[in-house]
Amino acid sequence: QIQLVQSGPELKKPGESVKISCKASGYTFTDYAMHWVKQVPGKGLKWMGWINTYTGKPTYADDFKGRFVFSLEASASTANLQISNLKNEDTANVFCARGGMGPTWFAYWGQGTLVTVSS
Amino acid sequence: DVVMTQTPVSLSVSLGGQVSISCRSSQSLVHNNGNTYLSWYLQKPGQSPQLLIYKVSNRFSGISDRFSGSGSGTDFTLKISRVEPDDLGVYYCGQGTQYPPTFGGGTKLELK
Repeated sequence: QIQLVQSGPELKKPGESVKISCKASGYTFTDYAMHWVKQVPGKGLKWMGWINTYTGKPTYADDFKGRFVFSLEASASTANLQISNLKNEDTANVFCARGGMGPTWFAYWGQGTLVTVSS
Repeated sequence: DVVMTQTPVSLSVSLGGQVSISCRSSQSLVHNNGNTYLSWYLQKPGQSPQLLIYKVSNRFSGISDRFSGSGSGTDFTLKISRVEPDDLGVYYCGQGTQYPPTFGGGTKLELK
């Protein structure tokens, strides 16, 4: 069955970096894009961007340009999100979600990784 | 960005009842290819969102026929019939037609 399994919760201090992984299984990794979605606890969903798993090209939403980097370990069917210079407002649950490489919907989601930024 | 507006914000229902959730977009969601990329998700407490409906009215694999989606252009509706305890949570509509993909603010479905 199709699964996206994310790495565990992270507690970081402002200014530090964090790397979240999302390991896919049950399908051909390079056939679908991997998207990233942010959810502040108790709030709604915000799309962060996506990575073309075939070419490795990332695309970032406007609010996620600069400190956010999407990358792949294609041989391991894994997508990664690195956030540098963490700020308190980065505290959120971050989901990876499988979607299309064009107009899309999100058929499969990871379980979420809670990133807490606190001094 | 396309703004997705869901109403109501919360909804109380009796088990076995029927509810409707409305989702309105600030721009038409009809893509140049003729498809409309409007989807519905349910997020149960403590879980990640799960896809219920894609392209307005297509039920995702394993989703009960108690869930139905309809609408066109900028106005869409999710109907849930014979509500069960496992249906409770927050429902989100989402659009993938226009870049960037955006979501509605959510509708919380609770027991009356």
